[in-house]
This record gives sequence, structure tokens and C-alpha cells, in this order.
Amino acid sequence: AQSVTQLDSHVSVSEGTPVLLRCNYSSSYSPSLFWYVQHPNKGLQLLLKYTSAATLVKGINGFEAEFKKSETSFHLTKPSAHMSDAAEYFCVVSEAAGTGKLIFGQGTTLQVKP
Amino acid sequence: DSGVTQTPKHLITATGQRVTLRCSPRSGDLSVYWYQQSLDQGLQFLIQYYNGEERAKGNILERFSAQQFPDLHSELNLSSLELGDSALYFCASSVVGSLNSPLHFGNGTRLTVT
Repeated sequence: AQSVTQLDSHVSVSEGTPVLLRCNYSSSYSPSLFWYVQHPNKGLQLLLKYTSAATLVKGINGFEAEFKKSETSFHLTKPSAHMSDAAEYFCVVSEAAGTGKLIFGQGTTLQVKP
Repeated sequence: DSGVTQTPKHLITATGQRVTLRCSPRSGDLSVYWYQQSLDQGLQFLIQYYNGEERAKGNILERFSAQQFPDLHSELNLSSLELGDSALYFCASSVVGSLNSPLHFGNGTRLTVT
């Protein structure tokens, strides 16, 4: 069965410093992986997705993630945090090929301090 | 704005009651998904429809049912409500039902059962 583990429930950074949100996955086949962001009282927005093409994936708002099969990781990074990046971030793995069923991690709350 | 519309935004009802949540997918999207977000369970996949047919089922209780209509809008029916059903219910849509088609989420319906 597929699963995803977000290693930090809460991350706090200062504005202008790098962001690292960690995610490990478990999958019995070559997975599709996603990062979604949820701002307060809003729906989830797709940041980026990996679907077995390039291992370094660039997303919106300056975020990127690197798929590392040997480490079963898909960490999300951003060189410089903005106040507007404060939100909940979800690492997501596809449940099975042929459907859009997604398995969500528990989420990481990103706090950005001025 | 994702283009996915969910109504109502908030719903407060009593235990034992029945409610209907409505979702209009993005124009052109054939697949609709329902997710439940609660503090203790996180984001859980409930059910997926594709072009009117049920495609995949997740952790959906027997008291819950859903359908997708010919105009592609979907309804999630929750009956015999319990306090534990209080959660944020998201609808998402995608062009097709495969994992390569990203999901676009609505802003959710917050259900409070008292």
C-alpha cells in the first residue's frame, strides 16, 4: 500500500531564509507525487507534481522538489521564504495507477517570521 | 480561484439529521472527488466519480452516499449524522480520472454537527 510521511508537523523560518519541508513515501510501484498548499479557509492548491519525468520538479511561487528514489524522499524547498508562504503543506502520493485517488500526508504547517 | 464551486460554505446541523453538499466541477472536468478533512484523521479520500460513474471508493461510511449528475455536478449526502462527522468536506475535479491529471480543489464545506 502507498503511504506518505511528512517528517515535521511544524516548520518555522524567517522571511528571506530557505524553506525545507520533508516528505518520505512508500510505494509498491513507481509513484506519482505531489505537493499541495492550503491557506487558511481555502481549498488546496497544487504546487507541483512528479510523474516519472525529471527528478527535479519546479512548481509555482518558486517552490521545487526533488524525487530521490534511493531515499524514497520528495522534499519541498524554496530558496527564500515570503510571508505569503505561511500555510499548511501536504505531500501526496497517488494511490494507484488509473485513478486520481490520492493519499495525503498529515501536513506541515509553515510559519514565516518577519 | 480553482473554478470548483462548493455550496454551502458552512453547515450547522444536529445529530441524526441528513445534509447534502453540492459541488460544481471546473468547466470541462469530467472527474469529481470528495475528501474529508478532520483534525484527527487529516485528509481522507471518500469517493471518486468519472462522467457519472463511480470510479473509486475510499473511506466512505455507509451513511454517506454520493452521485454525479449528467451535468457533471456532484452531491455528497450525509445521513444519521454524528458528532464525529464534523469536518471540512472538499470537492475536487480533474479533466480525467488518472493520476497525471492534477486535482483542482474547491474551498470546502465546513460541517458542524451539534
